[in-house]
Amino acid sequence: QSALTQPASVSGSPGQSITISCTGTSSDVGSYNLVSWYQQHPGKAPKLMIYEGSKRPSGVSNRFSGSKSGNTASLTISGLQAEDEADYYCCSYGGSSTFEVVFGGGTKLTVL
Amino acid sequence: QVQLVESGGGVVQPGRSLRLSCAASGFIFSSYGMHWVRQAPGKGLEWVAVIWYDGSKKYYADSVKGRFTISRDNSKNTLYLQMNSLRAEDTAVYSCATYYGSGSPYGLDVWGQGTTVTVSS
Repeated sequence: QSALTQPASVSGSPGQSITISCTGTSSDVGSYNLVSWYQQHPGKAPKLMIYEGSKRPSGVSNRFSGSKSGNTASLTISGLQAEDEADYYCCSYGGSSTFEVVFGGGTKLTVL
Repeated sequence: QVQLVESGGGVVQPGRSLRLSCAASGFIFSSYGMHWVRQAPGKGLEWVAVIWYDGSKKYYADSVKGRFTISRDNSKNTLYLQMNSLRAEDTAVYSCATYYGSGSPYGLDVWGQGTTVTVSS
C-alpha cells in the first residue's frame, strides 16, 4: 500500500486552469477507474469533488473535472477562484485479493 | 440532516488502548459501508479501515493491521475503532466517513469532524 504520488504544490491566477496529477501503479489507478478527489480547507473535513474517475457529486461546480491515462489520474480546475485555494487529495481503490484504499500525499493549491 | 460525530479521542501512553466511536444520524446507517481515515498533524490523509454495511467484511491498512479492529452496531447507528498497542505514529485526527450522497462506495461524501488521538508518554 504505497501512497499515490501528487505534486506538493501547484498555483494559478484567478480565471486560469490548473491540473493536479496523481500517479499510482497498475495495481490501483491503472487497473480501476475508481479514483476520487477531495478538497480540504484548513481545519475542515475533506469534501468529495470527483468520484469514479470523472463523476461529480451533486452541488460540485462543473469547473472541476477528472480524467485518467494509464497509471495517472488528473484533476483539472478551470476558471480558478480564490475559494479553490485548498489542499487536494486523490484516492484510489484497488487490490485484487483484498480491499485496499490509498490516498495521495496531497497537493496545496495556491490561487495567486 | 446526515451527520457523523466522532468521540473517544484523548491522550494515551504508548502501548495502551483506546476505543473511538462514530455516531451516525440522518440516514439508514445499516445500508452503508463505513471507513475510518486519519490525518497526522500537518500531514495528509491516510486510510485506516473499512467495514461492510452488515459487518461481514473488514479491511485494514498495513500500518494498523493486527492492532486495530473496526466494528459496528447497526442497532445503535454507531461505528467503532478499537485501537490497541498504540504507537507515537498513531497520533492523528481520526474521522469516520461514508458514501451516502454519492451512491458510490468509491466516493466518500459524508465525513465527521474527527476526534484527536495523541499517543505520548
